[in-house]
Amino acid sequence: DSGVTQTPKHLITATGQRVTLRCSPRSGDLSVYWYQQSLDQGLQFLIQYYNGEERAKGNILERFSAQQFPDLHSELNLSSLELGDSALYFCASSVDSDSGSPRDTQYFGPGTRLTVL
Amino acid sequence: AQTVTQSQPEMSVQEAETVTLSCTYDTSENNYYLFWYKQPPSRQMILVIRQEAYKQQNATENRFSVNFQKAAKSFSLKISDSQLGDTAMYFCAFAGGTSYGKLTFGQGTILTVHP
Repeated sequence: DSGVTQTPKHLITATGQRVTLRCSPRSGDLSVYWYQQSLDQGLQFLIQYYNGEERAKGNILERFSAQQFPDLHSELNLSSLELGDSALYFCASSVDSDSGSPRDTQYFGPGTRLTVL
Repeated sequence: AQTVTQSQPEMSVQEAETVTLSCTYDTSENNYYLFWYKQPPSRQMILVIRQEAYKQQNATENRFSVNFQKAAKSFSLKISDSQLGDTAMYFCAFAGGTSYGKLTFGQGTILTVHP
């Protein structure tokens, strides 16, 4: 158990819908990262938040957005869902004592399996 | 942009034997970190080992060790005394420089340990 929690574990929805994935980082971790794992794209970085602020952006679609709340939990919102959005979405957290230094190890949650029908 | 390449899509090894997984990367950064993550059938991502580029000594964690060749941009993982529980997908990952903490992953290598 990494200490990172993600809900829900599984999500099945239809094209065009909107869903919200939730992540609670390990106690004391300030940074939250979101990754997408799909068969065709592999593991890709989406976005990072550090202490409530967006820190870095990766290959995140405009239909996707995220935020980190004052209690440091984070939500990833996916809208206008398409079949190709079906994937495993991971949240990871790290201490990032130096506001974004890569030296701190990232610990991954169990993931949310999203299926778009 | 950094890239990470794992050229072995699949590997297999007999229980108790040793296996080496390959990884190469490309970067212009001088300060960076390399990782091996394991993803068993449960899909959980588990950190196996990490290496800091400025350290010349290769990292070891019990049965897991790396061969870090900075000039060649190579970062291989050696698993000694392989166990059935080592069966998993293994990902090599890079973090560093202006990319802040984001991880760039390789394509992964599926390792199967046979009894």
